[in-house]
Amino acid sequence: AQSVAQPEDQVNVAEGNPLTVKCTYSVSGNPYLFWYVQYPNRGLQFLLKYITGDNLVKGSYGFEAEFNKSQTSFHLKKPSALVSDSALYFCAVRDGGDDKIIFGKGTRLHILP
Amino acid sequence: GAGVSQSPRYKVAKRGQDVALRCDPISGHVSLFWYQQALGQGPEFLTYFQNEAQLDKSGLPSDRFFAERPEGSVSTLKIQRTQQEDSAVYLCASSLARGNNQPQHFGDGTRLSIL
Repeated sequence: AQSVAQPEDQVNVAEGNPLTVKCTYSVSGNPYLFWYVQYPNRGLQFLLKYITGDNLVKGSYGFEAEFNKSQTSFHLKKPSALVSDSALYFCAVRDGGDDKIIFGKGTRLHILP
Repeated sequence: GAGVSQSPRYKVAKRGQDVALRCDPISGHVSLFWYQQALGQGPEFLTYFQNEAQLDKSGLPSDRFFAERPEGSVSTLKIQRTQQEDSAVYLCASSLARGNNQPQHFGDGTRLSIL
């Protein structure tokens, strides 16, 4: 069965510094990987996805993620953090042969002004 | 509207009551998903529809939970004889077509509180 791990409950970064939010996954088939962001009292918003191809994926709001097959990781990154990036971030995986998405527990990102 | 709409946004019910939660997906979206998000946790899959067909209901926690999408658009999640552990945010998501590369578009959820 597929699973997702986000090892950090919270990440604090100073505004203007680069940020990384970690994610590792486990699937039996080919992984389809996603990052979503959630603001308070709102649903999840899609940021980016990896299906196949280039290991570096670019998404919304300047975020990008790097797929690493050997380390089964899909870390979210941004070169320069903004205070408005403060939110809850979820990594998700779909096994190639399945329809449902499995989400991690989330990482709360705090960008300090 | 342009996005996924869920109603009500907030629902308070007494233990033992039945509740019904509604989801209006984005027009034309074939796939519809229900998730349960407990406080401080990620969303957990409940069930999935492709058009009116319920293809996967493996995540429904008990037979008190029932979902339907009779005409392939609006969906209702019903919880019978509610229990306190049912308190959570229930999220609905839709995607354009069945396919592993389709992102899901989420509604803002229904926050259910069982007293």
